[in-house]
Amino acid sequence: GEDVEQSLFLSVREGDSSVINCTYTDSSSTYLYWYKQEPGAGLQLLTYIFSNMDMKQDQRLTVLLNKKDKHLSLRIADTQTGDSAIYFCAERDTSGTYKYIFGTGTRLKVLA
Amino acid sequence: ETGVTQSPTHLIKTRGQQVTLRCSSQSGHNTVSWYQQALGQGPQFIFQYYREEENGRGNFPPRFSGLQFPNYSSELNVNALELDDSALYLCANQAGTFADTQYFGPGTRLTVL
Repeated sequence: GEDVEQSLFLSVREGDSSVINCTYTDSSSTYLYWYKQEPGAGLQLLTYIFSNMDMKQDQRLTVLLNKKDKHLSLRIADTQTGDSAIYFCAERDTSGTYKYIFGTGTRLKVLA
Repeated sequence: ETGVTQSPTHLIKTRGQQVTLRCSSQSGHNTVSWYQQALGQGPQFIFQYYREEENGRGNFPPRFSGLQFPNYSSELNVNALELDDSALYLCANQAGTFADTQYFGPGTRLTVL
């Protein structure tokens, strides 16, 4: 079935690292994504990783992929109050539409 | 900014009415997908259009329909609105169905009373 799971909430202090976790279902997914959504706004693509990679780093963001466990994580270094938002992971379906299957989102709250 | 625009930004309708939502296309992006995001949920795939033809559909009833125009802009139509249709509707462009990235618009927030 199609079920991408994420924990609902995460609270960290400004300057600390945040780690948001996600488990996905389709072991044949080729691309996995992290999106950020601020209140009342659409989805902002943060980063994505191709399935033949274990890790991808992009400035303060580090994505780790464990294909064996179908586990994806997003680490945000030096978390700032502007990082407070909902973070969605998504896998790209391998059927003809290549639609995205999203998790329910993790609400990150950064405390000053 | 992805360059994808949606209109209107907000919309209020009553049960039983019909609504049309619109999505622009970036140059060269011939594929558009529509998603419904209910409050507190992740986006759910409604359908996808590729070169003016429907290319796949999620678990939504036939009263959700779409169109894609020759310039690749798109419409989502919902007939016989129900209260549960209240949601943020997102469209996403991509350059072909195999493209590795979808670019999302800001969404249209629909409220059904």
